[in-house]
Amino acid sequence: GESVGLHLPTLSVQEGDNSIINCAYSNSASDYFIWYKQESGKGPQFIIDIRSNMDKRQGQRVTVLLNKTVKHLSLQIAATQPGDSAVYFCAENSGGSNYKLTFGKGTLLTVNP
Amino acid sequence: DADVTQTPRNRITKTGKRIMLECSQTKGHDRMYWYRQDPGLGLRLIYYSFDVKDINKGEISDGYSVSRQAQAKFSLSLESAIPNQTALYFCATSATSGSSSEAFFGQGTRLTVV
Repeated sequence: GESVGLHLPTLSVQEGDNSIINCAYSNSASDYFIWYKQESGKGPQFIIDIRSNMDKRQGQRVTVLLNKTVKHLSLQIAATQPGDSAVYFCAENSGGSNYKLTFGKGTLLTVNP
Repeated sequence: DADVTQTPRNRITKTGKRIMLECSQTKGHDRMYWYRQDPGLGLRLIYYSFDVKDINKGEISDGYSVSRQAQAKFSLSLESAIPNQTALYFCATSATSGSSSEAFFGQGTRLTVV
């Protein structure tokens, strides 16, 4: 069945280091992927997205990589800051034009000063 | 003001009671969604609606019902609340622009069933 999962449930990094959060998905028909950040007591917030016809997309301090061969998605955060501490979710659109997001379980990122 | 507003933000209710969670949006989006979040399980889709006359079940719709009163309003009801429905509930919206569109989330409703 469809599933979106994360390899590491927690990640602890030092301030200034780069962070990499990984995600595996199983639905090869998924055509769109999003990374969300969720801070305590708040709803998920959009970070960056990528379509299935791309393998890399960059934003401000963040990069998403998509490897369709092994169904793997990663989020790279450069120069991680304390404000980056949050739970990060990957999500895939498994419904095509009938847009429907399926979420992974989340990775807790802790940035140590 | 938030683009996606959920009320109430917190609610404690007793087993067997009927409860309604409300969501309103000012983004002008046609598509609206209700998700449930439990620790260690991520967000799971309960119901979704692509326009006022369209309602679809998600992966965990049992025990829930929804009403799309208007383009901007989408409410979630628990007909007879039970303790394992204790969770954080999120409403979301997305634009009708094919498959590549981010979803915008509300701040969540924390529901406790005792």
